[in-house]
Amino acid sequence: ELKVEQNPLFLSMQEGKNYTIYCNYSTTSDRLYWYRQDPGKSLESLFVLLSNGAVKQEGRLMASLDTKARLSTLHITAAVHDLSATYFCAVDMVGTSYDKVIFGPGTSLSVIP
Amino acid sequence: DTAVSQTPKYLVTQMGNDKSIKCEQNLGHDTMYWYKQDSKKFLKIMFSYNNKELIINETVPNRFSPKSPDKAHLNLHINSLELGDSAVYFCASSQEVWSTFSNSPLHFGNGTRLTVT
Repeated sequence: ELKVEQNPLFLSMQEGKNYTIYCNYSTTSDRLYWYRQDPGKSLESLFVLLSNGAVKQEGRLMASLDTKARLSTLHITAAVHDLSATYFCAVDMVGTSYDKVIFGPGTSLSVIP
Repeated sequence: DTAVSQTPKYLVTQMGNDKSIKCEQNLGHDTMYWYKQDSKKFLKIMFSYNNKELIINETVPNRFSPKSPDKAHLNLHINSLELGDSAVYFCASSQEVWSTFSNSPLHFGNGTRLTVT
């Protein structure tokens, strides 16, 4: 059974600071997603990481994937208040002919002025 | 031009009632899902359909019955609602992402907040 963990679950940081959110998963997968959810809203896709060593960047967010370590990171650079949201990583099970995307518990990020 | 649309947005009902949530996607995707998000924001997959065919059925009570009349629609019917069913239910769709090198994420609807009293 695929398990997805995130660390930390809650993060309060000051504007301008850098921080990293970690996502670990328990079984082999070669596809990992990062999503953002604002309170009361839907989930917005941020990144799709397809292979070992993949790195993607969008604005102040950068995501990476290490499939050997079963680890993905979401790095926040010079945080701003607008980044306050809950961030989910999600992992696609491998070796199946269908999609089973399992979500981590989410990291609630609060950026304080 | 909403890509994945769910109705209703809010649903308040009493225990024991039966209710349905509808979902439609206009992205041409082959796969649709239902996820349940509880009060702690945990997202749990419930069902997945590929081209109208049930693919994934997680350990969901059989009071929950999905129905896909065509690949653009996936509805969720819930019988005999219980307090524990209160949650936000998200519909999502994707291309067949198990295909090698596909970079298609899941596209989510806006959710249906179900409150059972």
